[in-house]
Amino acid sequence: GENVEQHPSTLSVQEGDSAVIKCTYSDSASNYFPWYKQELGKRPQLIIDIRSNVGEKKDQRIAVTLNKTAKHFSLHITETQPEDSAVYFCAASIGGNKLVFGAGTILRVKS
Amino acid sequence: GAVVSQHPSWVICKSGTSVKIECRSLDFQATTMFWYRQFPKQSLMLMATSNEGSKATYEQGVEKDKFLINHASLTLSTLTVTSAHPEDSSFYICSATGQGPPYEQYFGPGTRLTVT
Repeated sequence: GENVEQHPSTLSVQEGDSAVIKCTYSDSASNYFPWYKQELGKRPQLIIDIRSNVGEKKDQRIAVTLNKTAKHFSLHITETQPEDSAVYFCAASIGGNKLVFGAGTILRVKS
Repeated sequence: GAVVSQHPSWVICKSGTSVKIECRSLDFQATTMFWYRQFPKQSLMLMATSNEGSKATYEQGVEKDKFLINHASLTLSTLTVTSAHPEDSSFYICSATGQGPPYEQYFGPGTRLTVT
């Protein structure tokens, strides 16, 4: 079955710096790759997603890149702010509308 | 749009009792609902997929007789944890699809279950 690996598990950056989180997946049939932000005790919130017919997508300070050949995709956050501190999860689609999630990355933005 | 609610937000129950958690799509019809379990500092693990009017499909390792799922309508799915034990204590989150592009899931706020 699909396996999604996410790195790093924790990431500390200085406010204003960029943060990059990377994920790899195993199922070449996956075609939808969302990123979620989860604050402690709250629901995961979709922050950006990308489909397999696109290589890059950007929304203000957040961007996602996808390399289908290498089966990896990355989240880029620029000009980080303290409120970006949270756990970030990548995911990849599998059959039946299902998603498989990465293990998560704890992002700490130090002010 | 695409709001999903869960009830209760937290519950404490005694070992051996059953607990029911509701998941509702408030402003759209959810063709599919998913139930996840999340232990502290861990990722979301899919437990089962629920389609309206049909039996739920459980992931490998999830006991269907312990985690009863009912998807009675296009806006409501319920998860009942039967004969709960302390190891069932977790954060249970539902999500729904049906509105918008394929695969896009809308998450409920989660239910914190503590079994004493």
